[in-house]
Amino acid sequence: DAGVIQSPRHEVTEMGQEVTLRCKPISGHDYLFWYRQTMMRGLELLIYFNNNVPIDDSGMPEDRFSAKMPNASFSTLKIQPSEPRDSAVYFCASSRSIPQATQYFGPGTRLTVL
Amino acid sequence: EDQVTQSPEALRLQEGESSSLNCSYTVSGLRGLFWYRQDPGKGPEFLFTLYSAGEEKEKERLKATLTKKESFLHITAPKPEDSATYLCAVQDAGGGADGLTFGKGTHLIIQP
Repeated sequence: DAGVIQSPRHEVTEMGQEVTLRCKPISGHDYLFWYRQTMMRGLELLIYFNNNVPIDDSGMPEDRFSAKMPNASFSTLKIQPSEPRDSAVYFCASSRSIPQATQYFGPGTRLTVL
Repeated sequence: EDQVTQSPEALRLQEGESSSLNCSYTVSGLRGLFWYRQDPGKGPEFLFTLYSAGEEKEKERLKATLTKKESFLHITAPKPEDSATYLCAVQDAGGGADGLTFGKGTHLIIQP
């Protein structure tokens, strides 16, 4: 079975540019999560969806960040405009719709904003 | 606010030298405690879920235990391939709290 797929794996951009990260969850999973990992703060939840509907976006750092899930097999995380402090590894994870369901993580996108 | 603290931050062991990693947590109600392994440049890989105090789970050289305030990941006779960062996370029992709160991890190095 294919796991969670993320693209691109690496992104280098300049400050002020728009960045779009993409995620394909595991087929049959109803939950999709976006996390960010930095050395200083570790792994932090940004936003998550259930059945394509955003449930909690309280972890989104500011209005420059937005996420969408137009269908069950695709989600995007957009940063506009990007800033150097957004540099991090962004992970997407998915899980089934049962209590305590395991979240399976993708390989991540390493974002560098110059 | 849920909090997870892992110790030590880093641990270097000789091959075959057993040890334990600690995960202390604060949560209003625990739905589950999760252990993940993360290799450099990769996403976290699921190891265990523990649901209630007293529960234990094992996988090869790893054994996870849970109390009301902390969890331990015991590593018995580790091998170099066990070198990785081990992450602990909690899931709150509150409604709409399906995300995980992670600790910063323990970076484990097993020397041959």
